[in-house]
Amino acid sequence: EPEVTQTPSHQVTQMGQEVILRCVPISNHLYFYWYRQILGQKVEFLVSFYNNEISEKSEIFDDQFSVERPDGSNFTLKIRSTKLEDSAMYFCASSRGLSNQPQHFGDGTRLSIL
Amino acid sequence: QKEVEQNSGPLSVPEGAIASLNCTYSDRGSQSFFWYRQYSGKSPELIMFIYSNGDKEDGRFTAQLNKASQYVSLLIRDSQPSDSATYLCAVNNIDGTASKLTFGTGTRLQVTL
Repeated sequence: EPEVTQTPSHQVTQMGQEVILRCVPISNHLYFYWYRQILGQKVEFLVSFYNNEISEKSEIFDDQFSVERPDGSNFTLKIRSTKLEDSAMYFCASSRGLSNQPQHFGDGTRLSIL
Repeated sequence: QKEVEQNSGPLSVPEGAIASLNCTYSDRGSQSFFWYRQYSGKSPELIMFIYSNGDKEDGRFTAQLNKASQYVSLLIRDSQPSDSATYLCAVNNIDGTASKLTFGTGTRLQVTL
């Protein structure tokens, strides 16, 4: 069964540095998402992406964050000038459509900011 | 602010029993509803989704939706120790080409031997 893949599984970075989290969505899916989950808290929506542009973003997704689909398969989340509070699990998801189509999640990247 | 509420648990049921997990949501415009299972340190794994009022069954799982009451539930029959996990209720809101899931905090299920 096709799945969403994310790399790396764990990223450790010094505060203030930039990180890029990578995702390969399921191949016939058109809608892509990033979510994060701070330890012990609920999963939170960050951004949705369709047709090479952001379709919605949350209040969390400020100027520090950006997303890109650099080629036909990868979908990336860049976090500039990381802060301690950016430490979390970051999940990429994809779906075939919008209406009544489930979002399938990758295994996540654990981001630790020191 | 769109809210999804779940009892955090833990909900403890004996092996072989029925586990009943509940969820309420605040936005009447929500279109589809999802149950994900999350093991500790892992990603959400889709269990079921439902978008019409009534029941939807898949193996040992039954999802129930009542839009008038803004209530979604998940029944797990013949509960197994491997079902022990946190169950996340998620509600999908679509606006044009934008879609996002709003998650509840999850209910932790413990299936005891």
